[in-house]
Amino acid sequence: DAMVIQNPRYQVTQFGKPVTLSCSQTLNHNVMYWYQQKSSQAPKLLFHYYDKDFNNEADTPDNFQSRRPNTSFCFLDIRSPGLGDAAMYLCATSRLAGAYNEQFFGPGTRLTVL
Amino acid sequence: TQLLEQSPQFLSIQEGENLTVYCNSSSVFSSLQWYRQEPGEGPVLLVTVVTGGEVKKLKRLTFQFGDARKDSSLHITAAQPGDTGLYLCAGGLGNMLTFGGGTRLMVKP
Repeated sequence: DAMVIQNPRYQVTQFGKPVTLSCSQTLNHNVMYWYQQKSSQAPKLLFHYYDKDFNNEADTPDNFQSRRPNTSFCFLDIRSPGLGDAAMYLCATSRLAGAYNEQFFGPGTRLTVL
Repeated sequence: TQLLEQSPQFLSIQEGENLTVYCNSSSVFSSLQWYRQEPGEGPVLLVTVVTGGEVKKLKRLTFQFGDARKDSSLHITAAQPGDTGLYLCAGGLGNMLTFGGGTRLMVKP
């Protein structure tokens, strides 16, 4: 089945210790997104790639970086995690089709910062 | 800034009851998606509506897009405990989605 895969599902890191979350997709979608979701809140967009073009949200901290080495993979790097970065991180993909955009989400990575 | 207001924020009902969740905006969207999210998992797409006035049914769930494409509703008939979760509406424009704040639904047996 075509899908969006995130690894790991759970990640524990220490305050200030860099961490990388990964996302892969078999949907061959050209757009990939990273969202941060805190408890019982809506997902908050951090950035997205349209093919190789990187688009950063204005309020995404510099601490968050992303890489997309190819169509299938996208990484989220948190350079110096703080306690406030503990959250669920969601990867999503979409293939722009006509006038609308359906996004398909992975299962998420739950990040804990000690 | 486009905003989507979702109501109610929380809903706790008994199995068998009906409910409606609303999603309202002053902005026009090209599409409206509804997602359901269970604890510890990513949102799962339930439906996409794109035409003003469109109604879609998914078993006991009925989704409607407002005539002006600014609002939407989700109606669940005879709710079951398996319907428990966070329901998110999201308005689409270009390659971006604007999410509502979510409705946390709990259906008690």
